[in-house]
Amino acid sequence: EAGVTQSPRYAVLQEGQAVSFWCDPISGHDTLYWYQQPRDQGPQLLVYFRDEAVIDNSQLPSDRFSAVRPKGTNSTLKIQSAKQGDTATYLCASSPTGGAGQLYFGEGSKLTVL
Amino acid sequence: GEKVEQHESTLSVREGDSAVINCTYTDTASSYFPWYKQEAGKGLHFVIDIRSNVDRKQSQRLIVLLDKKAKRFSLHITATQPEDSAIYFCAADNTNTGKLTFGDGTVLTVKP
Repeated sequence: EAGVTQSPRYAVLQEGQAVSFWCDPISGHDTLYWYQQPRDQGPQLLVYFRDEAVIDNSQLPSDRFSAVRPKGTNSTLKIQSAKQGDTATYLCASSPTGGAGQLYFGEGSKLTVL
Repeated sequence: GEKVEQHESTLSVREGDSAVINCTYTDTASSYFPWYKQEAGKGLHFVIDIRSNVDRKQSQRLIVLLDKKAKRFSLHITATQPEDSAIYFCAADNTNTGKLTFGDGTVLTVKP
């Protein structure tokens, strides 16, 4: 069974540029999460979906961040006008049980904003 | 909201010894406590979990203990091996939806 796939693995931007991260969850997993992991810290939830619906986006930092999952499968996290404080690894995870159990994480997309 | 504190930022043990990582949480409504392992440059990998209806769970060399009164839980790795070296994260879920609150991780080094 293929795991959670994320791309790109790395991105380096100047402040003010935009970037999109893509996530392909495990087939059949209805729930998808985006977490932000700053260096030397634990992951922090940004947003999560059940199928195509946003269930909770209250932790998305600002209107510079957006996330979609239009067909309830793949998802895109976009950061517009990036800031140095956005430097972090962005982790996607999926779950087959609505989140009431183990999450399956991708390897992450590491963003550096100069 | 929930806060999870992971007490050991680094831990070094000799191969064959036991390692113990301690976490505390603040929200009495939390009922699910997973542990994840992260190797260099990789994502998080689930290792074991415990729910609030039990106070102990074991899976091979891994033991998780939960003390609800103290709002404390711990991961015990017995007979450690060099491949156990990684960053370990504890987490708590007070909504049973996968909205995990993580600690900041413990870097475990197992020396041969």
